[in-house]
Amino acid sequence: SYDLTQPPSVSVSPGQTASITCSGDELGDKYASWYHQKPGQPPALVIYKNTKRPPGIPERISGSNSGNTATLTISGTQAMDEADYYCQAWDSRTVVFGGGTKLTVL
Amino acid sequence: EVQLVESGGGLVQPGRSLRLSCAASGFTFDDYAFHWVRQAPGKGLEWVSGISWNSGSVGYAGSVKGRFTISRDNAKNSLFLQMNSLRPEDTALYYCAKDMSSGWYGPLDHWGQGTLVIVSS
Repeated sequence: SYDLTQPPSVSVSPGQTASITCSGDELGDKYASWYHQKPGQPPALVIYKNTKRPPGIPERISGSNSGNTATLTISGTQAMDEADYYCQAWDSRTVVFGGGTKLTVL
Repeated sequence: EVQLVESGGGLVQPGRSLRLSCAASGFTFDDYAFHWVRQAPGKGLEWVSGISWNSGSVGYAGSVKGRFTISRDNAKNSLFLQMNSLRPEDTALYYCAKDMSSGWYGPLDHWGQGTLVIVSS
């Protein structure tokens, strides 16, 4: 089975840049998506096809994907960005999620 | 406005069955694939199953293959998950999620609020 590995937690100061990584074998050859999930809410798509933003997602949220690592970058991090973040890809007829990263804005 | 409303969850004994439903509105249902994704209490997301726009292609996670069956009724804008031989480890909040395309490859661009399934004696 295909695995996506994320760090369990990332901390960032308000106004700084947060980077969350997602690692998988030859992940750069696949499309990566990212979701955020706030307590008590369903997940919401924030990045798809590596770099694209759905309507309503601010430009300060961006994505990249190369080699074995996809990265979600949040510039000018705000308190409202505090959430769990999950990466996702598709491999061998299964949808795969990473284990999730808790982003804390200190 | 896209709306996905799950129902059918509840408390069920191990070995029994349950059928989840998802009612969709606000878009052309049969243009898109759909998924079921679950989240155990305090845990991460786990993809359960996906179905293409015309039911021609389906997929399952290894943990549910042979026990769960996904289906859809395009005439009724509804998605279903038949869950048989339930186990305590199936306890989770089950989300219905819309795919951005007609095939179940992801991404999942809209999610319901979920329905809670508890498997316990």
